[in-house]
Order: sequence, then structure tokens, then C-alpha cells
Amino acid sequence: RKEVEQDPGPFNVPEGATVAFNCTYSNSASQSFFWYRQDCRKEPKLLMSVYSSGNEDGRFTAQLNRASQYISLLIRDSKLSDSATYLCAVLETLMNRDDKIIFGKGTRLHILP
Amino acid sequence: NAGVTQTPKFQVLKTGQSMTLQCAQDMNHEYMSWYRQDPGMGLRLIHYSVGAGITDQGEVPNGYNVSRSTTEDFPLRLLSAAPSQTSVYFCASSYHQTTSGPTYNEQFFGPGTRLTVL
Repeated sequence: RKEVEQDPGPFNVPEGATVAFNCTYSNSASQSFFWYRQDCRKEPKLLMSVYSSGNEDGRFTAQLNRASQYISLLIRDSKLSDSATYLCAVLETLMNRDDKIIFGKGTRLHILP
Repeated sequence: NAGVTQTPKFQVLKTGQSMTLQCAQDMNHEYMSWYRQDPGMGLRLIHYSVGAGITDQGEVPNGYNVSRSTTEDFPLRLLSAAPSQTSVYFCASSYHQTTSGPTYNEQFFGPGTRLTVL
């Protein structure tokens, strides 16, 4: 099983709709979780860190489910400018190794006018 | 602050050539890493470092070397370029907190190097 998995999409969603995607991780010892946004031919940029209690930033809500080992991202009232690839990232804590940050393959989102 | 800088932005190599991709950050971050991004493959970790003098292998380390002689710099060396190494390479850096409790390690990425190996 890959360490971090995402549905690649694309998700084609009409403007104004709500969209959600999940990301599963395999290492139960992982401590920190993130959602990044990547625009075409650009570097990824942090969208949200995911806290254990869940967190919200405007139209974006991130949740962590430790029992099922997944994180989720919910986008409400989607805008055309939300079209991008959304990458989840997990900080893996390993026995006898340094922590490392692993990314999923990303989920492509297209917001349709 | 310049953040994370990468050079060159574009590079074309012939098979068998060697080269070094440069990465530097001015945020005093302990953690630095190199990723490659191929279509449909997402970001794959090549090598990473939690501090000067310490490096470790990621998911796809073969064909690449790194060193971390200073906190600021983390060069990636291609020993003998192959067409399979054609990709976009991103360097990233972050704080690395290992004290008890949640650790928050937002990564800052450089603009990337687009490498083509013929």
C-alpha cells in the first residue's frame, strides 16, 4: 500500500458547489498533516495544516480521522479560482529514521462556470 | 527574505552527463528536501536532510546524491543523467520540530528546475 493515497480526479464541479476529497495514509504514527495547492507549472503552496480537532479557514475545512487514517478537505461555495491540484502531505515519524514528509499524487479540481 | 531559490530554472542534458541542481534557503530552516514531479506521479521524495551534516534517502534516491555542508544549501547531484530523470525538480525547506506534541512543518518550495535528459 502506498504511504499516502489520493483520488487523482479530475473532479469537475460547477461554480458554487461544495466539493470534498480524502487522502489516506498508511503510517499510524504520523503526526502532522497538510493540504497544499498547486497551480499548473507552479510550486506547491500550503493551503492548510490539519489539526487533530479539525480546522476551518473561510470556505475551506480540513478534518483528520485517525481511526480510519485519512484526512479530508471540504471546499464550500467553490470559485473558478479554486481550480488547481490539491496535494495532501503527511509527516511520517519513523523508528530509527529521521522524520520525512511524503506527498500524495494530488487531486485535480476543475471548477466549471 | 528570498525564501527558497533554485538554479537553474531549465536544463537540457545528454545521457551520461552529470550536473548539480542548486538549492538555497535564507530562513534558517533545519529541514530541506528534494522532490521530483512527473505527470500522474505527484511529488516523490528523493533525498532529505534534518540538519547540516545529516542526509537520508527518500522514496526514489537512485541516481542522485546530496550533501548538506551548511544549513542554507542542499545541492542535488545527478551522477550520470538518464532519460528517466527527465522531470521537474522541487527543493523545499521547513522548520523541523521534534519536541513532544504536534509538530507543524509547513514546507516552502522553490520555483522548480525543469530538466530534460536526451
